[in-house]
Amino acid sequence: GQQVMQIPQYQHVQEGEDFTTYCNSSTTLSNIQWYKQRPGGHPVFLIQLVKSGEVKKQKRLTFQFGEAKKNSSLHITATQTTDVGTYFCAGRRRQGNEKLTFGTGTRLTIIP
Amino acid sequence: NAGVTQTPKFQVLKTGQSMTLQCAQDMNHEYMSWYRQDPGMGLRLIHYSVGAGITDQGEVPNGYNVSRSTTEDFPLRLLSAAPSQTSVYFCASSYSKFADSPLHFGNGTRLTVT
Repeated sequence: GQQVMQIPQYQHVQEGEDFTTYCNSSTTLSNIQWYKQRPGGHPVFLIQLVKSGEVKKQKRLTFQFGEAKKNSSLHITATQTTDVGTYFCAGRRRQGNEKLTFGTGTRLTIIP
Repeated sequence: NAGVTQTPKFQVLKTGQSMTLQCAQDMNHEYMSWYRQDPGMGLRLIHYSVGAGITDQGEVPNGYNVSRSTTEDFPLRLLSAAPSQTSVYFCASSYSKFADSPLHFGNGTRLTVT
């Protein structure tokens, strides 16, 4: 079945440093979504990427979708304590697009 | 709108007991789903529904049943609880079953099976 892997599993950064998490799918995706889960909370939708090679920005967050639509990345510039949490990517296959498969997540902790 | 409401927030069961996790949404969403979250494994899809009267299996359906008698409600039943079902369970809904529809999650149910 479809597998979506994320690396790294954990990332500790000093406040102000940059952070990147990578998402890789075993199959071609129709689109990819990113979610953030604060400690003790539930996942919250951040953004969706649909087109091959697409890049979107939300303030300090930059999201990319690979040319082959099998990988994606999230980059945070100059991290802040409010960025703490686990970031998940999630994708649907082109065929059978009813199931959204989540990546394993990257937990970001910030050292003040 | 309350969004997606899950009850209970916490539950402790003994092995072999059964229970139902409740999920309700007031957004008239077509698609509803259940995920379980375990450390290091992300969110894994248990069951999902694309509309009232229609359900289907996800990645890890064994030991769980669902039904969708109304658009609003999507309960998850544990038939005979096992320690391996200790997890955090999230219900999520979206307005459409199609790829461009983001999920709205409930606050989760933390289940412990002893």
